[in-house]
Amino acid sequence: DAGITQSPRHKVTETGTPVTLRCHQTENHRYMYWYRQDPGHGLRLIHYSYGVKDTDKGEVSDGYSVSRSKTEDFLLTLESATSSQTSVYFCAISVEVQPGNDGYTFGSGTRLTVV
Amino acid sequence: ELKVEQNPLFLSMQEGKNYTIYCNYSTTSDRLYWYRQDPGKSLESLFVLLSNGAVKQEGRLMASLDTKARLSTLHITAAVHDLSATYFCAVFGGSNYKLTFGKGTLLTVNP
Repeated sequence: DAGITQSPRHKVTETGTPVTLRCHQTENHRYMYWYRQDPGHGLRLIHYSYGVKDTDKGEVSDGYSVSRSKTEDFLLTLESATSSQTSVYFCAISVEVQPGNDGYTFGSGTRLTVV
Repeated sequence: ELKVEQNPLFLSMQEGKNYTIYCNYSTTSDRLYWYRQDPGKSLESLFVLLSNGAVKQEGRLMASLDTKARLSTLHITAAVHDLSATYFCAVFGGSNYKLTFGKGTLLTVNP
């Protein structure tokens, strides 16, 4: 996806370990988001950022923290991974909405398995 | 709290047939988006609907928005196998440009 990169793409980790996922953008957008996708739930917002050091919680933020020390990077940390956090995580960036704009651009996703 | 409901959640249809996916949302919004997701892939933007009465079409897909009814539809005309995917609608609600997604409609088009 143009301008937005997630890493790693796949990760297997053990219960109780901390895990950090990275989202990197090259387009200097202000808004960045972390979603998780699970069967039957669609995409649910975990945390979002509206600028450097400006972050807020989404609907499923328990067990997650985020940091944004630079415009281009938005990090999602699972403080102590649990099996319920096995999911596909998507990062997204948002351009200011203009007519014809497509809202969000999504990264390729990170498939996380907690064993 | 903004809620977005899609139906049906599963749709199996034959090639050549027509069908409609519905997206209802609970609070006032004038921005609605449709995305497509292929298995194991990311989400791809299909349509952006930014005003009441907006209609967008691309190929066999047509999306419309009725903000008064808080309803968007995604109409599929003469379905083909390549349209098999999961389709999401998403609505902007509140501040800070947050999108709330429906649960998605898994569309399978059978020969």
